[in-house]
Amino acid sequence: DTAVSQTPKYLVTQMGNDKSIKCEQNLGHDTMYWYKQDSKKFLKIMFSYNNKELIINETVPNRFSPKSPDKAHLNLHINSLELGDSAVYFCASSRTGTEETQYFGPGTRLLVL
Amino acid sequence: QKEVEQNSGPLSVPEGAIASLNCTYSDRGSQSFFWYRQYSGKSPELIMFIYSNGDKEDGRFTAQLNKASQYVSLLIRDSQPSDSATYLCAASWYGNNRLAFGKGNQVVVIP
Repeated sequence: DTAVSQTPKYLVTQMGNDKSIKCEQNLGHDTMYWYKQDSKKFLKIMFSYNNKELIINETVPNRFSPKSPDKAHLNLHINSLELGDSAVYFCASSRTGTEETQYFGPGTRLLVL
Repeated sequence: QKEVEQNSGPLSVPEGAIASLNCTYSDRGSQSFFWYRQYSGKSPELIMFIYSNGDKEDGRFTAQLNKASQYVSLLIRDSQPSDSATYLCAASWYGNNRLAFGKGNQVVVIP
């Protein structure tokens, strides 16, 4: 019974390529997020969608484009990959509200060569 | 800029001892506070959340919140080797689903 799932789990690619990561949640949540965790383990919000609408857009290069086709899915497309994009990308979901717990997916480990 | 700070370096504790983790936050408007545990190579999982001043206990874990001092802590009693992980403190604030995370504290429980 996977709650928040991401594909792929690992992604190794060359600089300049375009890649996508997919996320799905079956918790019935209406808010979904993308986080980036760098090599120093710092976890930072990138984007958040509530009911398919973008509500948080941190200072992220516009090579990163999220898309939410419905409440249960949030995808991340990355154009022209750079070495510095290497990180673990986590998808998360929650119900709307300050006190709501965010549940994280297993992460996608991206390595750009 | 809403920041959450966890400044302590790796914490080594003997099995059965108490591990104490601290976290401070910059925004007095912060409403809710969360402690996540992250095992190496895994995703963060919620340990505890706390909204009100004072202590909140759940099993071997106690979270403490002091809004006047902008300080949150986590105590792990009777530490077990399975508690060895990185603990992430996070804060959110009213009207905003955004979580600001600290950099984490690594805990190593020595058998």
